[in-house]
Amino acid sequence: GAGVSQSPSNKVTEKGKDVELRCDPISGHTALYWYRQSLGQGLEFLIYFQGNSAPDKSGLPSDRFSAERTGGSVSTLTIQRTQQEDSAVYLCASSLANGINYEQYFGPGTRLTVT
Amino acid sequence: AQTVTQSQPEMSVQEAETVTLSCTYDTSENNYYLFWYKQPPSRQMILVIRQEAYKQQNATENRFSVNFQKAAKSFSLKISDSQLGDTAMYFCAFTLDNYGQNFVFGPGTRLSVLP
Repeated sequence: GAGVSQSPSNKVTEKGKDVELRCDPISGHTALYWYRQSLGQGLEFLIYFQGNSAPDKSGLPSDRFSAERTGGSVSTLTIQRTQQEDSAVYLCASSLANGINYEQYFGPGTRLTVT
Repeated sequence: AQTVTQSQPEMSVQEAETVTLSCTYDTSENNYYLFWYKQPPSRQMILVIRQEAYKQQNATENRFSVNFQKAAKSFSLKISDSQLGDTAMYFCAFTLDNYGQNFVFGPGTRLSVLP
């Protein structure tokens, strides 16, 4: 079946503009994660969605960052008034997280460049 | 809070040789899951192997195997007969059995396989 997809694959934006990044998880996966990864670095957790529960937003670095997940499926990460330090690869992952299967399946990421 | 440590930021190995990547974690819980992920330069994150904490037998996937030492909270990855395509960042990860809420990644080990 289809894996996790993300769009766009690359985004170049000017400082101060807003951007929206989209994630389509694997069908049936209730858990969805957003991560940020700077060049050559590890994964920085941003936000976690699980079913209809309130999301865990503890990793969002500032109030310029927000995310939503509509209908328990597609998710959008929005960065307002982008700054140069927001430049990174944004990864989305989904998981069944059902007490048996917890592995995350990752999308290819969106490379964001703020000029 | 759970933590994951990978003490080797970078490693290298000759093609066809064997290499072991280290991972330790910290938790007071008894039921959890461990994973190794691979991220090649193309950046797509791929699951390599998983281990359930309640299983004493070490997981194996072809040339990849783990040495899971629950008492020592250690979860190392052994790659046998290393291939050039194994060159990647390797991330150790941990989650409790709680719907994926506390999924933690280590900082990663950059592995280079040399011809």
